[in-house]
Amino acid sequence: DAGVIQSPRHEVTEMGQEVTLRCKPISGHNSLFWYRQTMMRGLELLIYFNNNVPIDDSGMPEDRFSAKMPNASFSTLKIQPSEPRDSAVYFCASSLGLAESYEQYFGPGTRLTVT
Amino acid sequence: GENVEQHPSTLSVQEGDSAVIKCTYSDSASNYFPWYKQELGKRPQLIIDIRSNVGEKKDQRIAVTLNKTAKHFSLHITETQPEDSAVYFCAAKGGSYIPTFGRGTSLIVHP
Repeated sequence: DAGVIQSPRHEVTEMGQEVTLRCKPISGHNSLFWYRQTMMRGLELLIYFNNNVPIDDSGMPEDRFSAKMPNASFSTLKIQPSEPRDSAVYFCASSLGLAESYEQYFGPGTRLTVT
Repeated sequence: GENVEQHPSTLSVQEGDSAVIKCTYSDSASNYFPWYKQELGKRPQLIIDIRSNVGEKKDQRIAVTLNKTAKHFSLHITETQPEDSAVYFCAAKGGSYIPTFGRGTSLIVHP
């Protein structure tokens, strides 16, 4: 299995531009999570899906952020318009489900730089 | 909601020494405690976990202990090696089914 796949691995964009991050979870995993990692705030959960349905988006910082999961094998995180403070590493993770002992498998991350 | 505190934020040891990282949690319903290792520029990866019905678990040079009464758990690494250098995250998971992560500990092992 290839594991969780994220693209792009690096993204540099100018303030105001739209950014779309992509994630393909591990086949057979029913839960998908989007995290943001910064030195200041650590690892923050932004939103998670179960069976393609968004369950909790309370971690999404503001309306400029949106996420979708149109099918079991694909999810996107969009930032529009982007701002310099959005610069971070964004991780996607998947797990078999939400049960307590299901391990989360992280993707390689997308390093976003907004200038 | 759950709150996980992790200490220390940075830990520097000599190769061969032991390292201990401690975490506390607030939600008594939490019953699953994974530990992740994140090497520089890489993704977090699970290295060991413990459930609430177990007090200690070992896997070669790493071990985790859990004290449910005091709501704290710890990661112990013995005979540290330079390749152990990384950021380690603890997490607690329970009623919400979503893990709450600590802020991470940067472990530096000097050769």
